[in-house]
Amino acid sequence: GENVEQHPSTLSVQEGDSAVIKCTYSDSASNYFPWYKQELGKRPQLIIDIRSNVGEKKDQRIAVTLNKTAKHFSLHITETQPEDSAVYFCAASDSSYKLIFGSGTRLLVRP
Amino acid sequence: DADVTQTPRNRITKTGKRIMLECSQTKGHDRMYWYRQDPGLGLRLIYYSFDVKDINKGEISDGYSVSRQAQAKFSLSLESAIPNQTALYFCATSDSGEHTGELFFGEGSRLTVL
Repeated sequence: GENVEQHPSTLSVQEGDSAVIKCTYSDSASNYFPWYKQELGKRPQLIIDIRSNVGEKKDQRIAVTLNKTAKHFSLHITETQPEDSAVYFCAASDSSYKLIFGSGTRLLVRP
Repeated sequence: DADVTQTPRNRITKTGKRIMLECSQTKGHDRMYWYRQDPGLGLRLIYYSFDVKDINKGEISDGYSVSRQAQAKFSLSLESAIPNQTALYFCATSDSGEHTGELFFGEGSRLTVL
């Protein structure tokens, strides 16, 4: 089955700097790659996703890149703000939409 | 607002007890999931159901069972709870239509097994 690895487990950046979180997956049949944000004490919520027919997707300060050959995808947050502090999860699935998640990255944005 | 509701939100129980966590949704989604969250391990899939007559095991189904009583209801049972089942449990739903893939999570049920 699918296995998703996520790095780093914790990331601390200065406000205004960029943050990058990386994930690798094992199943070449995977074609859907979402990212979820979980604020402290809250439920995870989708922030951006990408499907295998595109290599990059942007939404304001957030972007995701996908390299299907290398089986890795990354989340890029630019101009980080304190409210970006949260735990971020990557995930992967094939056409069954059975999502398998990475272990999470705790992002701290220092004011 | 359409939502995913979990009950109970918090539960403390003893080893060997039977526990049921319930999930109901008003989103009209056909797909429902149970995930378990542990620190440093992310969200791990326990069971999932794509319609009322469909039940599938996930990554860590041992020690758990589920029931899809209706399109809107999906319950998770621990027949004989053990301490390493102490975790935060999330129910989630998704649509099979235009926005297939996005999971909508409930607020979570924190279970402590003593």
